[in-house]
Amino acid sequence: AQRVTQPEKLLSVFKGAPVELKCNYSYSGSPELFWYVQYSRQRLQLLLRHISRESIKGFTADLNKGETSFHLKKPFAQEEDSAMYYCALSPFGGNNRLAFGKGNQVVVIP
Amino acid sequence: EPEVTQTPSHQVTQMGQEVILRCVPISNHLYFYWYRQILGQKVEFLVSFYNNEISEKSEIFDDQFSVERPDGSNFTLKIRSTKLEDSAMYFCASSERFTGNGYEQYFGPGTRLTVT
Repeated sequence: AQRVTQPEKLLSVFKGAPVELKCNYSYSGSPELFWYVQYSRQRLQLLLRHISRESIKGFTADLNKGETSFHLKKPFAQEEDSAMYYCALSPFGGNNRLAFGKGNQVVVIP
Repeated sequence: EPEVTQTPSHQVTQMGQEVILRCVPISNHLYFYWYRQILGQKVEFLVSFYNNEISEKSEIFDDQFSVERPDGSNFTLKIRSTKLEDSAMYFCASSERFTGNGYEQYFGPGTRLTVT
C-alpha cells in the first residue's frame, strides 16, 4: 500500500522567508512523487514531479529514497504562493492511482 | 489551454437517491480517474478507466458506484443509492498515459455532493 504523510496542516511564513513543506512516503516499490497545488478557488494542478528535476515558480523538491522523503522548498516566499499544497505518490510503471497526503495550507504574510 | 470540466458544480440530493456526476476529460487523453475528498480529509482515489473498462478501483468503490463513458466525450460517475457519508468533493482527472510513466493527471474543478 502507498502512504503519504504531510505533518503540518497550516504553515504561515513572512514574505521573503524560506518555505519548506515536508513529505514522507511509504511504498515498497519504486515511486513517482509529485507536488500538486490548489490556489484559492482554482483546481488542483501539478506543481512539479521528481522525475523532471526542475524548479517551478522557484520551488524545488528532491527525492530522498534513503529517508523516503520528497520535501518541497522555496528560498523566498511570495504572496502568490499562498495555497494548499499536496504531496502525492504513484507507483512507477505500474498502476496509476495517485495517493495524496493531507495537504499543507501555506499562508504568506506580506 | 484545454481543461477538464465537471458538471454540476454542486449537487444536493436526499439519502437513497441516485446521482450522476459528469466529466468531460481533455479530448486527446486516454485515461480517466475519479477521486473524492471528504471535508477536512485527504483526496482519495476511487477508480481509473481506460479503453472502456475499469483499470483499477479502490476499496471505497463498492457496488454502489459505477463509471461509464457513454459517448466519445463524457465520463460519468454514478452512485446508485447515496448515503450521508458520500458527501464530498468529487474530482475527475484525465491523463494521456499512466502517471507511472511520467504523465500528469489533469484535474477538473470538482463537484460538491451534499447528501441530506
